Amino acid sequence: EVQLVESGGGLVQPGGSLRLSCAASGFTFSSYWMHWVRQAPGKGLVWVSHINSDGSSTHFADSVKGRFTISRDNAKNTLFLQMNSLRAEDTAVYYCARAGGYYSLDSWGQGTLVTVSS
Amino acid sequence: QSALTQPRSVSGSPGQSVTISCTGTSSDVGGYNYVSWYQQYSGIAPKLMISDVSQRPSGVPDRFSGSKSGNTASLTISGLQAEDEADYYCCSYAGSYTWVFGGGTKLTVL
Repeated sequence: EVQLVESGGGLVQPGGSLRLSCAASGFTFSSYWMHWVRQAPGKGLVWVSHINSDGSSTHFADSVKGRFTISRDNAKNTLFLQMNSLRAEDTAVYYCARAGGYYSLDSWGQGTLVTVSS
Repeated sequence: QSALTQPRSVSGSPGQSVTISCTGTSSDVGGYNYVSWYQQYSGIAPKLMISDVSQRPSGVPDRFSGSKSGNTASLTISGLQAEDEADYYCCSYAGSYTWVFGGGTKLTVL
């Protein structure tokens, strides 16, 4: 069974940093592209970032470009999202998701809440 | 990277059919056959319902179907059931390894 478990969320002050992790199991992690998607409280889903299977190619939404970094450790089956210069508008539940068939997101974690507030 | 346009809400009675539209541009929906649809119950992780415009993953009831015409994709749910009441989001590949979601549609089963 595919499992994705996010961790690392919490309360952080504006301008601060946070590193999210997503532990994967039940599939060959190193073979799949991965994504981060976020959802602000009461709002819709927003795509944040993508990484290819070996970590050599990364892409970001304009709203986080230059502030967020995505990476992965295929030996430890773990996906990361390093978030710097956090803003109030980054407050959201952050989901990691597996890319199935490359262009859809076929498995999702339960999400981890990031709150940016002073 | 503007969000795709979905109706805020749709409704239908049990047994009826409803269609949710998802309008983008030639740079996303119209440019690729990579539209997917997700079902989300409140506070729960989204679930993939349709991939690549019209492909149904294993385990998704055949009451759910997808299509696309030009810059608009559609999700149709036939034989509505109470358990279908949820939020639905479309998502499209937008080129250069970026993706864009729609704003979401709340489906109410009357």
